Amino acid sequence: LAKTTQPISMDSYEGQEVNITCSHNNIATNDYITWYQQFPSQGPRFIIQGYKTKVTNEVASLFIPADRKSSTLSLPRVSLSDTAVYYCLVGVGNTPLVFGKGTRLSVIA
Amino acid sequence: DGGITQSPKYLFRKEGQNVTLSCEQNLNHDAMYWYRQDPGQGLRLIYYSQIVNDFQKGDIAEGYSVSREKKESFPLTVTSAQKNPTAFYLCASSMPGLLSNEQFFGPGTRLTVL
Repeated sequence: LAKTTQPISMDSYEGQEVNITCSHNNIATNDYITWYQQFPSQGPRFIIQGYKTKVTNEVASLFIPADRKSSTLSLPRVSLSDTAVYYCLVGVGNTPLVFGKGTRLSVIA
Repeated sequence: DGGITQSPKYLFRKEGQNVTLSCEQNLNHDAMYWYRQDPGQGLRLIYYSQIVNDFQKGDIAEGYSVSREKKESFPLTVTSAQKNPTAFYLCASSMPGLLSNEQFFGPGTRLTVL
């Protein structure tokens, strides 16, 4: 299972754009890249998923370069409610996900 | 409403007792998973099941047992052999037959062993 590396923590002010980069050098050809968000004492929640190039939904954008060895989650204009832990994972199908420690994002007023 | 339910939300047990955590889903998902989360840490996989009547050990299966007699249910038993069972337990399920690996998580059960 491919491992991922992401910053342990980040701080941001409200209204700013936040970019969290994840490294996955050993990603396999069929692997998708998925990001989850977790609030304290809750289960993780799916944010966005992609295979290559750029994916955008109502919550975030995901940028994946051509070599797919990294990806960047972009959160536009964050608010206090975006304070959470963000996990980057790679995998395919029904194989188990490997969660690292994630990136703890703190949004400051 | 479709989703995953876990019960109870909080559970207290005395040391040496077995305890079973419930996980039910009505999403028609084939695969189900159990994770453990300790404070400030990521999730670690305990057991997973990709089909009824079959399951595999994850990274930290020792001291735990599961069953998958029905598609909708994947109960986890924390046995007295688990050295440090106090943790936050999360159940998840995923869509069958898709390349993507989106997992849907339940609200979790916080187990405290006294």
